Amino acid sequence: AQKITQTQPGMFVQEKEAVTLDCTYDTSDQSYGLFWYKQPSSGEMIFLIYQGSYDEQNATEGRYSLNFQKARKSANLVISASQLGDSAMYFCAMREYGANSKLTFGKGITLSVRP
Amino acid sequence: NAGVTQTPKFQVLKTGQSMTLQCAQDMNHNSMYWYRQDPGMGLRLIYYSASEGTTDKGEVPNGYNVSRLNKREFSLRLESAAPSQTSVYFCASSDGEWGEQYFGPGTRLTVT
Repeated sequence: AQKITQTQPGMFVQEKEAVTLDCTYDTSDQSYGLFWYKQPSSGEMIFLIYQGSYDEQNATEGRYSLNFQKARKSANLVISASQLGDSAMYFCAMREYGANSKLTFGKGITLSVRP
Repeated sequence: NAGVTQTPKFQVLKTGQSMTLQCAQDMNHNSMYWYRQDPGMGLRLIYYSASEGTTDKGEVPNGYNVSRLNKREFSLRLESAAPSQTSVYFCASSDGEWGEQYFGPGTRLTVT
């Protein structure tokens, strides 16, 4: 079974609007971490935000926030006030306890911001 | 502070040739990783090194070998390249068990 599922087709959002990118995960561990990375067309992987499984508050980093619903095993990324530079591929990833820091990635979601 | 560097940026190989992808980090991180990225597949872990002197297989290790030369450097070797190894290869590093991973710029490898 897939550990990280990103099933949305290519997403489109109007500039300055908010957008939610979905991510569900599967683990039997109680201790794990969830990450979002951005990959623009230039190809580099850029770390955006992290959520620990025991964190009570949803993580926020500037315009990025993570809507963490533990019981549903979802970790959706919310981007507020979208900018043209947000057009990129977005990957959700998980690290499980005792996995020697190995990350398991989803297949990614393409986001296009329209002017 | 360059972060994670990778060489080369691009490489074309013929089937059966060998080559080594180099990776270095200057952040004093303990853990280093090699991933490959194929279209529609996301990133998949090839090998990782939790600390200097140790290496372990990831999800797709077949056809690859690695060397953790020292704390800074982690190389990936293709002994006999195959067209199925055409991919973009990323090196990453992290500090400790829960630190986020920092990625290099990637190497685009084509095997004909």
